[in-house]
Amino acid sequence: QVHLQESGPGLVKTSETLSLTCAVSGGSISSNSYYWAWIRQPPGKGLEWLGTIYYSGSTSYNPSLKSRVTMSLDMSKDQFSLKLTSVTAADTAVYYCARRGSGYFEDYFASWGQGTLVTVSS
Amino acid sequence: QSVLTQPPSVSGAPGQRVTISCTGGRSNIGAGYVVHWYQQLPGTAPKLLILNDIGRPSGVPDRFSGSKSDTSASLAITGLQAEDEADYYCQSYDNSLSATVFGGGTKLTVL
Repeated sequence: QVHLQESGPGLVKTSETLSLTCAVSGGSISSNSYYWAWIRQPPGKGLEWLGTIYYSGSTSYNPSLKSRVTMSLDMSKDQFSLKLTSVTAADTAVYYCARRGSGYFEDYFASWGQGTLVTVSS
Repeated sequence: QSVLTQPPSVSGAPGQRVTISCTGGRSNIGAGYVVHWYQQLPGTAPKLLILNDIGRPSGVPDRFSGSKSDTSASLAITGLQAEDEADYYCQSYDNSLSATVFGGGTKLTVL
């Protein structure tokens, strides 16, 4: 049973860079069977997919955020990370890391972290 | 605004049947992309409820079922229980956005 755990600052200043890490246990991020994703949820609002990263380092980002988002892997620690630059109050949200399958019919998120609230404020 | 449209809220009495719709277009559901559904209880992470239009992950009661037709998908819940009170989200892929997309979410209230 894979377990995902987000970590990072709960408060980020406006215009700075939001950085989060997702630690994976019970599974390896170097597996070719899965994609690793970031999804966020502003308070009281719906879910927004931010992007995914594959073990090869290949990434796919939400076009609405593409210029500000970077995802990376740390195979030695079984962790993957999110960086979101030039944040504003609109980036205040609970950020989830999640895992989906790599097959064409496996683009559902079967495993999620508990989420971490990031507040952007000046 | 989500490309997948869900009603903001639905409600039903215990034991009743409710359905939640997820309406898309020709670049997502209508293009043949599968739809997945999630249940989010208050203060918790979403949980996969229905996969690939109609599949149920292990442990999900058969009171939950999914269907799809043309540019829309639906989640049906029969024998409504108090514990079903939650937010429900649909998810698919949109080829014009080249992005995974979620519906705006539907809050289910058990009366």
